[in-house]
Amino acid sequence: RKEVEQDPGPFNVPEGATVAFNCTYSNSASQSFFWYRQDCRKEPKLLMSVYSSGNEDGRFTAQLNRASQYISLLIRDSKLSDSATYLCVVNLRGNTGKLIFGQGTTLQVKP
Amino acid sequence: DGGITQSPKYLFRKEGQNVTLSCEQNLNHDAMYWYRQDPGQGLRLIYYSQIVNDFQKGDIAEGYSVSREKKESFPLTVTSAQKNPTAFYLCASSSLNRGRTEAFFGQGTRLTVV
Repeated sequence: RKEVEQDPGPFNVPEGATVAFNCTYSNSASQSFFWYRQDCRKEPKLLMSVYSSGNEDGRFTAQLNRASQYISLLIRDSKLSDSATYLCVVNLRGNTGKLIFGQGTTLQVKP
Repeated sequence: DGGITQSPKYLFRKEGQNVTLSCEQNLNHDAMYWYRQDPGQGLRLIYYSQIVNDFQKGDIAEGYSVSREKKESFPLTVTSAQKNPTAFYLCASSSLNRGRTEAFFGQGTRLTVV
């Protein structure tokens, strides 16, 4: 089993749609969780950290479910510019510095 | 400006040659990482380091070597032992302070071995 797993997609949605991605992790001791965005042939950029209480940033909402060991990302009112690959990232043992990436979920927002 | 710099952006090498990729950060981060990304794939961890003069193997360390002589620098050498070196290489750094462990990336180096 992979340490961090995502559905690679692609998710093809119309503008204005709401779309959700999930990511599961295998190590229950994991402490830190993030969502990154990667555009084609570019470096990943931090989208948002994921906190136990859940957090929201504009149209984006991230949730953490420790019992089921997954995190989620919800994008509301999708824009064409949201088209990208979304990477789930887990720090496996708190602040020991080993960040593990999922393979990414590709989102294509269409007019 | 604070940030993380990788060089060169594009690199071409002949098969059998060792090549070293540069990564420098001025964010005062303790941790640094090297990832490899192949087309259509996620990032795979090659090596990481939490402190000067210490580093750990990631999931695909074979055929690679690193050093961490300074906090700011974490160069990666792709050796001739790496069977499929052509890939996109990404360097990242992060703080180890609780609650601030998100990683910041350089722009990457695209290595092509011919």
